[in-house]
Amino acid sequence: DVKVTQSSRYLVKRTGEKVFLECVQDMDHENMFWYRQDPGLGLRLIYFSYDVKMKEKGDIPEGYSVSREKKERFSLILESASTNQTSMYLCASSRPDTSGANVLTFGAGSRLTVL
Amino acid sequence: AQRVTQPEKLLSVFKGAPVELKCNYSYSGSPELFWYVQYSRQRLQLLLRHISRESIKGFTADLNKGETSFHLKKPFAQEEDSAMYYCALSGPNSGYALNFGKGTSLLVTP
Repeated sequence: DVKVTQSSRYLVKRTGEKVFLECVQDMDHENMFWYRQDPGLGLRLIYFSYDVKMKEKGDIPEGYSVSREKKERFSLILESASTNQTSMYLCASSRPDTSGANVLTFGAGSRLTVL
Repeated sequence: AQRVTQPEKLLSVFKGAPVELKCNYSYSGSPELFWYVQYSRQRLQLLLRHISRESIKGFTADLNKGETSFHLKKPFAQEEDSAMYYCALSGPNSGYALNFGKGTSLLVTP
């Protein structure tokens, strides 16, 4: 079964700490994404990457950075965590299928609490 | 700008009743529309997409370009349909990313 694996399911960090969220996919997908999921706000795109070492800002990139050194791995970095970054973080990957549709496969999520 | 609107935060229906989850979008061009579902304690997964015009778990959705809508319908709701449903859009303007609505929580009661 193909997988998008997020290394941490639950994290608790303190304000100001540097936080790394790791995501690995085994489907050889070119595209990878980081979203945050908040009740009442749905999913909001933070960053995405369509190739190794490439990155694009999403709708809410402030306070975040990303790294894609290998095709299968896409890391989300919070340089200095703040309480308003408490959220569920979802990683996804995709490759357009033969019809051209871009179907995302999601990880299980990383729930981050910043105290 | 592209936008996906799901006007209902919560929709509650009885088992066996028809259900319609609304989705409207704004996009200049030809978008791809999707419905994703998240069951309790499970990861977000694709339910269906307009391009395949298929029925999954009894759900269908028709893209209405005139009304810019992509409503999700099922004639007879089941308790196991209770979940969070997200409508999503992608298109050339968004690169490869999906733009999601805020989601509708569907509760099917016996």
